[in-house]
Amino acid sequence: QQPVQSPQAVILREGEDAVINCSSSKALYSVHWYRQKHGEAPVFLMILLKGGEQKGHEKISASFNEKKQQSSLYLTASQLSYSGTYFCGTVVNFGNEKLTFGTGTRLTIIP
Amino acid sequence: ETGVTQTPRHLVMGMTNKKSLKCEQHLGHNAMYWYKQSAKKPLELMFVYSLEERVENNSVPSRFSPECPNSSHLFLHLHTLQPEDSALYLCASSQVAPGIGGTGNQETQYFGPGTRLLVL
Repeated sequence: QQPVQSPQAVILREGEDAVINCSSSKALYSVHWYRQKHGEAPVFLMILLKGGEQKGHEKISASFNEKKQQSSLYLTASQLSYSGTYFCGTVVNFGNEKLTFGTGTRLTIIP
Repeated sequence: ETGVTQTPRHLVMGMTNKKSLKCEQHLGHNAMYWYKQSAKKPLELMFVYSLEERVENNSVPSRFSPECPNSSHLFLHLHTLQPEDSALYLCASSQVAPGIGGTGNQETQYFGPGTRLLVL
């Protein structure tokens, strides 16, 4: 079953912060975050494995809450280049389940 | 540049045509995937190949026929498609395929730019 992402879309001014959530109805083994710009391939951002870790990549970071079966992607001091659609992909069982993607969150950054 | 290339980038075909999509990965990965991406829908996994063997076929109509001659190349042969098959077709690769004993990190997928297909 696919993960649920929220919000579906968000518009921010440059410099503002955003949070994108990814929730699963099943226990998660790993969560993968991707960004896709219009007309381009999805690009891998980061992966979080079971263990409740938080990862960071420049001003983009993510957390993984096993108990809530949820991951959140944090974008701080957003830049115009952050615009795109963010997808989470989840693996619910080590060695036995495929990567299933959510419907995406469309992020638009305006000057 | 993700190390995964796809050709053609755009394709228009009639319902009676036969065409093929090509994907090549330069990452030394062992698993390759075909996805369909339609507007406002999640990425739909179509096929998974691991070491040139098909390990998953997600109830895809037979008018789509995949071929994986080696671990670096993947094709999707198309015939008698329908207008609802119009979409972006994405190829991806990963070090190992899910369910083949890999870890979460090894299953990270790298995508190609996609082929935008229009069926008239």
